[in-house]
Amino acid sequence: DIQLTQSPSFLSASVGDRVTITCRASQDISTFLAWYQQNPGKAPNVLIYAASTLQSGVPSRFSGSGSGTEFTLTISSLQPEDFATYYCQQLNAYPPAFGPGTKLDIK
Amino acid sequence: QVQLQESGPGLVKPSETLSLTCTVSGDSVSSGLYYWSWIRQPPGKGLEWIGYIYSSGSTSYNPSLKSRVTISVDTSKNQYSLNLSSVTAADTAVYYCATEGTYFYDSTGYSLLDHWGQGALVTVSS
Repeated sequence: DIQLTQSPSFLSASVGDRVTITCRASQDISTFLAWYQQNPGKAPNVLIYAASTLQSGVPSRFSGSGSGTEFTLTISSLQPEDFATYYCQQLNAYPPAFGPGTKLDIK
Repeated sequence: QVQLQESGPGLVKPSETLSLTCTVSGDSVSSGLYYWSWIRQPPGKGLEWIGYIYSSGSTSYNPSLKSRVTISVDTSKNQYSLNLSSVTAADTAVYYCATEGTYFYDSTGYSLLDHWGQGALVTVSS
C-alpha cells in the first residue's frame, strides 16, 4: 500500500500569513493527489485535485503543486476561516490512503 | 447537487455487527457517475478509507478491513449500506458516506471525494 506523510503535523500562524504544508508519498503517484480541509465536527471538503487543480468554488489563495512523491499545499494569505486541519489523499492506487493531517491554528 | 445522509445505531456492542445506511438525494445510486464510498475517522484521529460500491455492484475494500466489511446497495430506496462485523473498541469512529467522482484535467481522469455526508458517530461499547 502507498503511505503518505505530512509535515508539519501542527502549524501556528496569523491571519495574513503565507503557509505551506508538505505531503510525501512512499512511491511515485504522479499527480494523483487531492487536498482536503476539515473543520471541527464537519466532514472534509475537497480543495485541490490532480495535485494542483482548484476544485470549483475554492478561493484562489489556495494552491497546490508537486508530482511524483512530493507535494505542497500553499495558502497565500490566511483568512480566519482557514484555521482547520488539512489532509492529503493519494488516488493513484487502492486503497486511497490519507495523510495523517496538519492542524493549522491561530498564533 | 448530491446530498448524503448517514443513519444507523450510535452504539454497538463488541463482537456484534455495525450497520449504517447512506441515503442519497440529487442522484441515483444506479447512475454510474460515482463510486459510493465509506470513510471513517476515530475521535481525534485521521481519516481511513473503508471501501466503495459501484452501480454495477462491484466493490473495493481496504485490505485492513476486508475480512469484516460488506458494502451493498438498495436501488429501490436509493441507499447504500455498510456492514462491519466483529467490532471492537478500535472501530469507534465517525463514519462518513461520500461520493468518489472522476474529474478530467489535461485529458486524464482524476478521482476525488467530492460529496460527503455529515457523519455518524458509532461507539463500540458494552
